[in-house]
Amino acid sequence: GENVEQHPSTLSVQEGDSAVIKCTYSDSASNYFPWYKQELGKRPQLIIDIRSNVGEKKDQRIAVTLNKTAKHFSLHITETQPEDSAVYFCAASTGGGADGLTFGKGTHLIIQP
Amino acid sequence: EAQVTQNPRYLITVTGKKLTVTCSQNMNHEYMSWYRQDPGLGLRQIYYSMNVEVTDKGDVPEGYKVSRKEKRNFPLILESPSPNQTSLYFCASSPGTGGGTEAFFGQGTRLTVV
Repeated sequence: GENVEQHPSTLSVQEGDSAVIKCTYSDSASNYFPWYKQELGKRPQLIIDIRSNVGEKKDQRIAVTLNKTAKHFSLHITETQPEDSAVYFCAASTGGGADGLTFGKGTHLIIQP
Repeated sequence: EAQVTQNPRYLITVTGKKLTVTCSQNMNHEYMSWYRQDPGLGLRQIYYSMNVEVTDKGDVPEGYKVSRKEKRNFPLILESPSPNQTSLYFCASSPGTGGGTEAFFGQGTRLTVV
């Protein structure tokens, strides 16, 4: 089955700086790559996703890039703000398989004032 | 309001006492799943269901049961809970087959087994 590795496990950045979280996946058939944000005590919520026919997708300060050849994808957050502090999970899926999403272990992003 | 609702939010129980965590969604989603979240291990899928009466094991199914008698409900059953099942549990639902679309999560159930 699919295996998703996520790095780093903890990331501390100064407010206003950029943050990058990286994930690799093992199944070359995977074609859907969402990112979820989980604030303390809350449920995970989708913040951005990308499909394998697209190399990059942006939504305001958030962007995701995908390199299918290398089987890795990354989340980029620019101009970080205190409300960006959370745990971020990447995930991968074959996009139609019954087994759904396989998640990475998560990155705890800390925004230092 | 479109949502996934889990109950209870918090539960403390003793080893061996059967319990059920309920999950209900009002979005008419076909796909539902259960995850457990443990520190350093991320979200791991326990069971999933592609439709009524269709369920299958995820990555960590041991010690759990599920049922899908109605489209909106997907309860998680622990027949004989053990301390290693102490965890934060999330139910999720997705349109379609589940893998290629957004998963909507419930608010979570924090279970402690003593």
